[in-house]
Amino acid sequence: NAGVTQTPKFRVLKTGQSMTLLCAQDMNHEYMYWYRQDPGMGLRLIHYSVGEGTTAKGEVPDGYNVSRLKKQNFLLGLESAAPSQTSVYFCASSTLAAVNQETQYFGPGTRLLVL
Amino acid sequence: GQNIDQPTEMTATEGAIVQINCTYQTSGFNGLFWYQQHAGEAPTFLSYNVLDGLEEKGRFSSFLSRSKGYSYLLLKELQMKDSASYLCAVRKGGAGSYQLTFGKGTKLSVIP
Repeated sequence: NAGVTQTPKFRVLKTGQSMTLLCAQDMNHEYMYWYRQDPGMGLRLIHYSVGEGTTAKGEVPDGYNVSRLKKQNFLLGLESAAPSQTSVYFCASSTLAAVNQETQYFGPGTRLLVL
Repeated sequence: GQNIDQPTEMTATEGAIVQINCTYQTSGFNGLFWYQQHAGEAPTFLSYNVLDGLEEKGRFSSFLSRSKGYSYLLLKELQMKDSASYLCAVRKGGAGSYQLTFGKGTKLSVIP
């Protein structure tokens, strides 16, 4: 049981390049999330998904797109990377199986540097 | 919107007790979470409060007062490995209740 995994762990991009970050979970969780974490800013929600085929915008969605074609995978895309997108990206998943308690489980993170 | 405040940094001595406070303002409330995050690692779940009162889990306890918009995380018998950032997060009620809003985190340094 690997939990939440993220690919890649680290990436360097040039401004204007595109890339996709992959998140996978093997816990059969319904909900998945993408966050970015910047110094002094805390974790901020980019996009989230409440089920296969559905996505929604979070707090800071501009410049990102997401897809959830399979329940276990949640992809985060950067179509044209900008230096402001240099950050650590965390994926998380959760389920409401426990009554009123929903813990989010986080992946190890992807460190992205945009030059 | 939501506003979550917690101290930026704290320092405490090994073996001591430390309390990390979190205050929040939210248009709806459906639970408060505490996460621990070691440098360079992912956040991991510590505790959850949805009703007023104290929840105890070993050396860690978390308290909630919904009327005051206030929570604290209490760490007892501090160990060096407790040096980490502690993140307070609030879940709104109703639509979007699966979203968490995080505070900026409190960096705790435990010194010998």
